[in-house]
Amino acid sequence: DQQVKQNSPSLSVQEGRISILNCDYTNSMFDYFLWYKKYPAEGPTFLISISSIKDKNEDGRFTVFLNKSAKHLSLHIVPSQPGDSAVYFCAASAGTASKLTFGTGTRLQVTL
Amino acid sequence: SQTIHQWPATLVQPVGSPLSLECTVEGTSNPNLYWYRQAAGRGLQLLFYSVGIGQISSEVPQNLSASRPQDRQFILSSKKLLLSDSGFYLCAWSGRVGDTQYFGPGTRLTVL
Repeated sequence: DQQVKQNSPSLSVQEGRISILNCDYTNSMFDYFLWYKKYPAEGPTFLISISSIKDKNEDGRFTVFLNKSAKHLSLHIVPSQPGDSAVYFCAASAGTASKLTFGTGTRLQVTL
Repeated sequence: SQTIHQWPATLVQPVGSPLSLECTVEGTSNPNLYWYRQAAGRGLQLLFYSVGIGQISSEVPQNLSASRPQDRQFILSSKKLLLSDSGFYLCAWSGRVGDTQYFGPGTRLTVL
């Protein structure tokens, strides 16, 4: 049972444009959401997070939007840069749970 | 600042051989520690987590075990490796339960 879903395995965006990565979840107990960026053969790097009490969190070029009623979150990267090319994972946790549940990832390719 | 180390970076082992992967964290005390596995084409699956020395919680039944002999040391072991144990193993830490998790560089394990 995949509680966190990233339905787009890959995305290609031109440099300077906006990248939008999507994530859906099914567990209504999730209240904390994170995005990680991963390069091949490296550990994931934390990018940005959002608590369920918010619907938007911004950090530089990265913005995460949360739509609780739709159980949907998205990561916007603007402007996209070639160095953003990586696999992006969304993850979710519920309250004081120790477990992060990850999506299967979306591979972003930013082209020149 | 906090840093997390994993070794070895890569490992090739025959089926039936034992396994020991080590993870250490610096710059923090009493961290929560986690072991994840990323199998080919899949998301990150939580294997074990620990909230203190000697305290291990297992998320999935499997051929692996974990131990925490010291506050900032987390070890992943197996007595006899299976082909299905191949994957990318990641250690992570957090300041407390439900907090953001930060990942190490990972170990690529290939069982032949």
